[in-house]
Amino acid sequence: DQQVKQNSPSLSVQEGRISILNCDYTNSMFDYFLWYKKYPAEGPTFLISISSIKDKNEDGRFTVFLNKSAKHLSLHIVPSQPGDSAVYFCAAMSRDSNYQLIWGAGTKLIIKP
Amino acid sequence: EPEVTQTPSHQVTQMGQEVILRCVPISNHLYFYWYRQILGQKVEFLVSFYNNEISEKSEIFDDQFSVERPDGSNFTLKIRSTKLEDSAMYFCASSVENSPLHFGNGTRLTVT
Repeated sequence: DQQVKQNSPSLSVQEGRISILNCDYTNSMFDYFLWYKKYPAEGPTFLISISSIKDKNEDGRFTVFLNKSAKHLSLHIVPSQPGDSAVYFCAAMSRDSNYQLIWGAGTKLIIKP
Repeated sequence: EPEVTQTPSHQVTQMGQEVILRCVPISNHLYFYWYRQILGQKVEFLVSFYNNEISEKSEIFDDQFSVERPDGSNFTLKIRSTKLEDSAMYFCASSVENSPLHFGNGTRLTVT
């Protein structure tokens, strides 16, 4: 049962343009969503999060949008930079499950120079 | 910036052997976690630990697995009798309450 889905295994974007990474979920009890970035041979690094009571959270070049009715969230990176090339994981958690993180499969973002 | 450290970075072991993966969480963190990622697959939750006891564990975390916080700084994952399918990257993470998890760089476990 895939509660968190990232349907695009990879995405290629030109440097300077916007990167949009998508994530869908099925569990309406999730109350907190996170995006992690992972480089090869390193652990996931926290990027940005959003509570279910908000619909947008912005931090520098990174913005996360949450559409609760559609059970969909997206990460926007503007402008995209070569160092953004990595695998991006969407994750969700709920207080009911003791903050256990449920992960998506990840999307590999490639920024082309 | 404080970080979660994991040792060793790569562990090779023979099937049936016991292995201990070590983690030093961030010093003021109270919640500790182990995750794993089999090559090419999703990151999977194994176990969470708080107040010196397991607070949540997944189906993967069977009797072959155990966790321990032997002193004030280390958090270990033991696999009693390793199987080929235990080969994966194992990530330790820690957090304070209601905050994002901070991950270590992982230990690559190879079971031969």
